[in-house]
Amino acid sequence: DTGVSQDPRHKITKRGQNVTFRCDPISEHNRLYWYRQTLGQGPEFLTYFQNEAQLEKSRLLSDRFSAERPKGSFSTLEIQRTEQGDSAMYLCASSPSYISYEQYFGPGTRLTVT
Amino acid sequence: GEDVEQSLFLSVREGDSSVINCTYTDSSSTYLYWYKQEPGAGLQLLTYIFSNMDMKQDQRLTVLLNKKDKHLSLRIADTQTGDSAIYFCAERKDNAGNMLTFGGGTRLMVKP
Repeated sequence: DTGVSQDPRHKITKRGQNVTFRCDPISEHNRLYWYRQTLGQGPEFLTYFQNEAQLEKSRLLSDRFSAERPKGSFSTLEIQRTEQGDSAMYLCASSPSYISYEQYFGPGTRLTVT
Repeated sequence: GEDVEQSLFLSVREGDSSVINCTYTDSSSTYLYWYKQEPGAGLQLLTYIFSNMDMKQDQRLTVLLNKKDKHLSLRIADTQTGDSAIYFCAERKDNAGNMLTFGGGTRLMVKP
């Protein structure tokens, strides 16, 4: 049974560029979450999907951020016009509907904005 | 997260017990979690406890919950060098959907 996978693992981009990250949850997990973790801090919630529906969004998710989960399987997180403050680890997690309180995390995508 | 607080650092000798502490502020929290993060990696779910329990044991791990004081602890028995990592406490609140609120993490260093 494979875990949550994320791609790419590392991304370096110049300020102002757009970036897109992908998350593949554990098979048959219908809930998917995005978190952001800055250096020396704990993860902070960004958004949550149940199947293809985006049900919760944090105030941290500015209008430059958009997340999708079109077929209820993988999800993408896009950041437009990146800023240096966007540099962080972006973590994806998933949980099954029958044990929704267990969240399993992927390895993360580390974004560096220069 | 400002709602969940942890001490920054803990150093123990191999073979000793480690106790990592966490305080939270929201009495409506339904589940409380411990995650482990090794350098450059994602978070590994170690264990969690439901708010109507006061203790949970899983092999070398013991979780104690004091709801009155809003205090959670993780005890690792016979700590090994492979336990060196950052440990995060997290809460899931009853009125906050499915998000987890994390503490800032405690770095555990195990000396041989």
